[in-house]
Amino acid sequence: ELKVEQNPLFLSMQEGKNYTIYCNYSTTSDRLYWYRQDPGKSLESLFVLLSNGAVKQEGRLMASLDTKARLSTLHITAAVHDLSATYFCAVDPAGNNRKLIWGLGTSLAVNP
Amino acid sequence: DTAVSQTPKYLVTQMGNDKSIKCEQNLGHDTMYWYKQDSKKFLKIMFSYNNKELIINETVPNRFSPKSPDKAHLNLHINSLELGDSAVYFCASSRRGGAGELFFGEGSRLTVL
Repeated sequence: ELKVEQNPLFLSMQEGKNYTIYCNYSTTSDRLYWYRQDPGKSLESLFVLLSNGAVKQEGRLMASLDTKARLSTLHITAAVHDLSATYFCAVDPAGNNRKLIWGLGTSLAVNP
Repeated sequence: DTAVSQTPKYLVTQMGNDKSIKCEQNLGHDTMYWYKQDSKKFLKIMFSYNNKELIINETVPNRFSPKSPDKAHLNLHINSLELGDSAVYFCASSRRGGAGELFFGEGSRLTVL
């Protein structure tokens, strides 16, 4: 069964701190996506990672992909309250070309 | 100019009723999807159409019927609504035929009483 596991599922952190969210997956893939969802809102694409070793950065967020380890990380640097949201990773299984496999989401709360 | 738009944003209805949600995308994408997000935020794909052709039909009760009149529109009709149908339904589109980066609508929150 294809699985995408995120951890932690819940994260409460202080402003100014650094932390990493992990996304492990069980199938061969070289395409992985990170999305952000604010409470009561839609999902917004954050990062598209399309090859082994891909690294993308946007503001205080940096995402990377290691296809050999089947692992992606989303690193938060010097967190601010505006980053409070739920973050999802989604994997496009190789050869599937039909649907993404989603993680359960990581609910992040950044506290003053 | 909204890229993926859904209507209505909110539906409140009684058990047993029928309801429809409409979705339109102006991104020129070939593929559209319906996703269901439950109260725990779990995202489950329901249907996908590629250029009006149904390509994904997950294990969904046949009370749910999608329709795609053209590649820019994907509607969802739900018959005989049940309490368990309460959720947020998201429409999405992607450029690639199949998976790929998804662009989501704002969601339609369905509450069945």
